[in-house]
Amino acid sequence: GAGVSQSPSNKVTEKGKDVELRCDPISGHTALYWYRQSLGQGLEFLIYFQGNSAPDKSGLPSDRFSAERTGGSVSTLTIQRTQQEDSAVYLCASSLTQKNTGELFFGEGSRLTVL
Amino acid sequence: GDSVTQMEGPVTLSEEACLTINCTYTATGYPSLFWYVQYPGEGLQLLLKATKADDKGSNKGFEATYRKETTSFHLEKGSVQVSDSAVYFCALMAWAGNMLTFGGGTRLMVKP
Repeated sequence: GAGVSQSPSNKVTEKGKDVELRCDPISGHTALYWYRQSLGQGLEFLIYFQGNSAPDKSGLPSDRFSAERTGGSVSTLTIQRTQQEDSAVYLCASSLTQKNTGELFFGEGSRLTVL
Repeated sequence: GDSVTQMEGPVTLSEEACLTINCTYTATGYPSLFWYVQYPGEGLQLLLKATKADDKGSNKGFEATYRKETTSFHLEKGSVQVSDSAVYFCALMAWAGNMLTFGGGTRLMVKP
C-alpha cells in the first residue's frame, strides 16, 4: 500500500505477557517514529529512527520497551511483561528525510489492551 | 522542555459556524508549528504549518498564524462543515529538532 501500515490493529493481552507491534513505513522514507496515545491524552513521543539507528530513545517509558528497525524499513516495538498502564494506541509515522520539515505520515495505529 | 497546550474539547458547533481552537506553546529558540487532524478511523495527517513568526498556514479553509509575541498558533475557520468533525492536534518541532511535540488534541463535532 501507499501509506504507513501497522499491525495488529487491535491486540488484547494479559498482564505480564510480551507483545510485538509492527510498522511498515512508506517506501523510501528514512525517518520513522513511534508515539503512544493514551485515552484522553495527547501523543507521547517514544522513539525515533533515522535509517536503522535510533539517535533518540528518550521517550521510552521503561526498560520493558524496546524497538528495532532492520533494513531501513520495517520496525517493531516490543513491550515485555505488559502492565495495564501500557494500554494505549501505539502510532507509527514516517517521513521522507531527516530534514526538519515536520511532515510526518501516520499509520492508523495499534490499539493495545492489557487485561 | 518544549510543550504545547490546546483548549480541551469537545467543541460542538452547528454547520456554518465560526471555529477557533486555541493553541499556545513553550519552546526555546524558533520552533516550527503545525496543526494535524485525525478524522474518524484514519491516521493523523498534516493540516497546515508555519515555520517562522508571522507566517500564516492555510489549507481546506483553515488558517493559523504564528504569533511569537503571544506564543500562539490558534486554528480558525470561518464556516465549518459536518465533514470537519475530527480531532485536531497542535504540535511544534524545535529548531534543529527531529520530533514533534503534540498538544492533547481537541475534538470538534459539527452538527447539521
